This record gives sequence, C-alpha cells and structure tokens, in this order.
Amino acid sequence: GAGVSQTPSNKVTEKGKYVELRCDPISGHTALYWYRQSLGQGPEFLIYFQGTGAADDSGLPNDRFFAVRPEGSVSTLKIQRTERGDSAVYLCASSLSIRAEAFFGQGTRLTVV
Amino acid sequence: GQQVMQIPQYQHVQEGEDFTTYCNSSTTLSNIQWYKQRPGGHPVFLIQLVKSGEVKKQKRLTFQFGEAKKNSSLHITATQTTDVGTYFCAVRRSNDYKLSFGAGTTVTVRA
Repeated sequence: GAGVSQTPSNKVTEKGKYVELRCDPISGHTALYWYRQSLGQGPEFLIYFQGTGAADDSGLPNDRFFAVRPEGSVSTLKIQRTERGDSAVYLCASSLSIRAEAFFGQGTRLTVV
Repeated sequence: GQQVMQIPQYQHVQEGEDFTTYCNSSTTLSNIQWYKQRPGGHPVFLIQLVKSGEVKKQKRLTFQFGEAKKNSSLHITATQTTDVGTYFCAVRRSNDYKLSFGAGTTVTVRA
C-alpha cells in the first residue's frame, strides 16, 4: 500500500510569510508525528497526535507553529511569520499504535529566504 | 533537545570490518527503536527492543538493550558499502509516548 505522503516536497518562502505543510499518513494509522531535521542532526520532535487530538505538543518551538489533524487522518503543520531559522526538512511519521514502529514520509524541505 | 546520546558521531569503517555504535540515556527507557537514514533519504525503521537485556539479530546487525534499560548498542559485522548512512536510536521513557531521536552515528565505508 501507499506510504506516508508529504506535500510539497520542497517549499521556498519569503521571511514573514505563512506556510502549510501537509502529511497524509498510512491508512489506519492512529498515531502521527511531526519532526524537524536540520543538516547533520537527528529528527527533532515537534508534536504527536493520537487520533484527532494533540497528545504531546511540547516540541513546538513557539506559538508561530501549529498543527491540526481534524479527522484523525491528514495532518497540516502551519507556520506563521516564517523566519530563516525555520529552514529545515520537516518530517512526518505515522504508526499503527502508540508504541509501534514509525513510518516516515520523504519530508518537506522548507527554505525561508 | 535530545534525551539520548549516541557515540560515536562519525564512524569510518574499512569494508569487511566490524563496528559498534552506542545509545545512552540518563533515564530508564520504555523501549528503544533503531532507524537508518541513507543520504538524502528519510529514516527507515530497523528494530524495536522492549525487554531488559534483549538481543535481536538481523543478518549482520545485532541490537542489544541494556540490563538497566538505559542504553543500547548496534553491532555490524563484515561492513558493506550498503551499510553507509546514519543510524539513529529513538527512545520512549516510561509513561511518555513521545519518540525522541538521538543525533545519530554517520557511517562511511572505505572499499
């Protein structure tokens, strides 16, 4: 079946603009994670959903970042007033249950100029 | 920030040799997962360890969970060029569903 799909694959935006990153998880996966990865570093946890609710959003760096998963499937990560420091690869992962293995999408490379 | 430390950060290996990479936590873990990320790719799940002292093998890869459930190791024998990439451990603490990744060990192989 289809894996985790993330769109767009690349996004270039100007400083101060608003962006939305989309994640389409594997069908039936209840858990969904967002991570941010900078060059040479490990994935940095941002937020985790179990179903429709954000079970843990402790990794969101500030209130410019927000994520939703209204129907318990597709999720959108929203970044307001983007800054150059937001440039990174944003990874989405889903898993069948809370403690199961995570399947990652190919990521969205965000560049803020 | 990262809850776990991975050492070494870089591992340069001669093809055919063995090496080990380590993942250490200051707190007791519920479970630990290992992932591999090829250059330009995304993390791909390798294994999950849950029990104290657990050892699992996948062909040339051997994964071990420490007795105190605070550390883990990945040992690769007879390294091949296909082993190139970054190996991450990802951990969950008890009563915490957040999956936190280490900084990874980046492996290069000399043919």
